[in-house]
Amino acid sequence: EVQLVQSGAEVKKPGESLKISCKGSGYRFTTYWIAWVRQMPGKGLEWMGIINPGDSDTRYSPSFQGQVAISADKSITTAYLQWSSLKASDYGMYYCARRSSDVSTWTLDYWGQGTLVTVSS
Amino acid sequence: DIQMTQSPSSLSASVGDRVTITCRASQYLTRYLNWYQQKPGKAPKLLIYSASSLQSGVPSRFSGSGSGTDFTLTISSLQPEDFATYYCQQSYINPLTFGGGTKVEIK
Repeated sequence: EVQLVQSGAEVKKPGESLKISCKGSGYRFTTYWIAWVRQMPGKGLEWMGIINPGDSDTRYSPSFQGQVAISADKSITTAYLQWSSLKASDYGMYYCARRSSDVSTWTLDYWGQGTLVTVSS
Repeated sequence: DIQMTQSPSSLSASVGDRVTITCRASQYLTRYLNWYQQKPGKAPKLLIYSASSLQSGVPSRFSGSGSGTDFTLTISSLQPEDFATYYCQQSYINPLTFGGGTKVEIK
């Protein structure tokens, strides 16, 4: 069974750093890209970026380029989303999702349960 | 970026109703359009990919159609478990973009 299990909720202060994780299991981790998607409270879905865990090829949405860093450690089948200096506006739910095997399309077929990030002084 | 516009933003319907949600893209997508369902407090779930292909395990009352810039998600007979928010997403080119969502509520 394909599973993406994300790390737990975080409460941080503005200016602090944070790294959240997404562990894949039940499939060959290096074969499928992993995306990160933000959902601010009461709002829609925003694609942040995507990484190929096999070779670490990473693409970012222009809206998030330079604001976050996406990485992966294939030895432990885990992808990461990282901030070096959080802002209050980073408050939201963050989902990881797997890109489907059809490489002609950027379809997200399995999703993690989400990690809630709260940033407050 | 490709802009995705969904309509309506919300609708009220009764169990058994036929429901149609539309999605329009600002650029030509061929059939690179997906639909997701999100229930409160839960992660999105893929329903339809490539405009009209049903994801494994999704009930056949869900269907998708369209190509180019105009797409439709139809629920043929609304069930209690279908009350949720639905999002379209273009899967053609990065950055991936989603529609604003359509909330389906109980009438």
